[in-house]
Amino acid sequence: QKEVEQNSGPLSVPEGAIASLNCTYSDRGSQSFFWYRQYSGKSPELIMSIYSNGDKEDGRFTAQLNKASQYVSLLIRDSQPSDSATYLCAVNRGNYQLIWGAGTKLIIKP
Amino acid sequence: DARVTQTPRDKVTEMGQEVTMRCQPILGHNTVFWYRQTMMQGLELLAYFRNRAPLDDSGMPKDRFSAEMPDATLATLKIQPSEPRDSAVYFCASGLVRGEGTDTQYFGPGTRLTVL
Repeated sequence: QKEVEQNSGPLSVPEGAIASLNCTYSDRGSQSFFWYRQYSGKSPELIMSIYSNGDKEDGRFTAQLNKASQYVSLLIRDSQPSDSATYLCAVNRGNYQLIWGAGTKLIIKP
Repeated sequence: DARVTQTPRDKVTEMGQEVTMRCQPILGHNTVFWYRQTMMQGLELLAYFRNRAPLDDSGMPKDRFSAEMPDATLATLKIQPSEPRDSAVYFCASGLVRGEGTDTQYFGPGTRLTVL
């Protein structure tokens, strides 16, 4: 079992709809959780970080964390074609090293 | 707009040659990470430094890879000798770690390495 698991996709979502990306992790002691977006041929860029159970909203993005169930999700509202990218989930296992998921490829269809 | 910079952006070399990649972290950041990304393996941590001291290089093939931070504004990753299986995109990332909740990493543009 990988430490951080994501569905590789592709996840295809119509423009304007909500895109839901999920990530599960194995280490119950994990404290910090991140979503990065990576466009093809580019470097990962931070979308959201979340540290406490519950929801955290930033514009069209909402991160949700459930430590009891060991999952973190990212919702993208009013999806735009420019949101088409690979979304990487990363988890800090306590020593400031991030463990990365393989990423979910998201395609927003106009 | 503070950014991590990396040079070169692209490198094509022949098997057996030495390759040196450079990274300038964001000014004031105290932690630097080197990653390798391939389609098959995704993002792999190779090494990281805190206040210029190496903290973990367990992800790096020791016989051919070496990572250093000669000063706070420069991190280097060297491969000698290079092999075709080293072909990948190498990312440098930096962060300012000050305690809990300060572990965000900011990535440079990457060096695309092709070893023929």
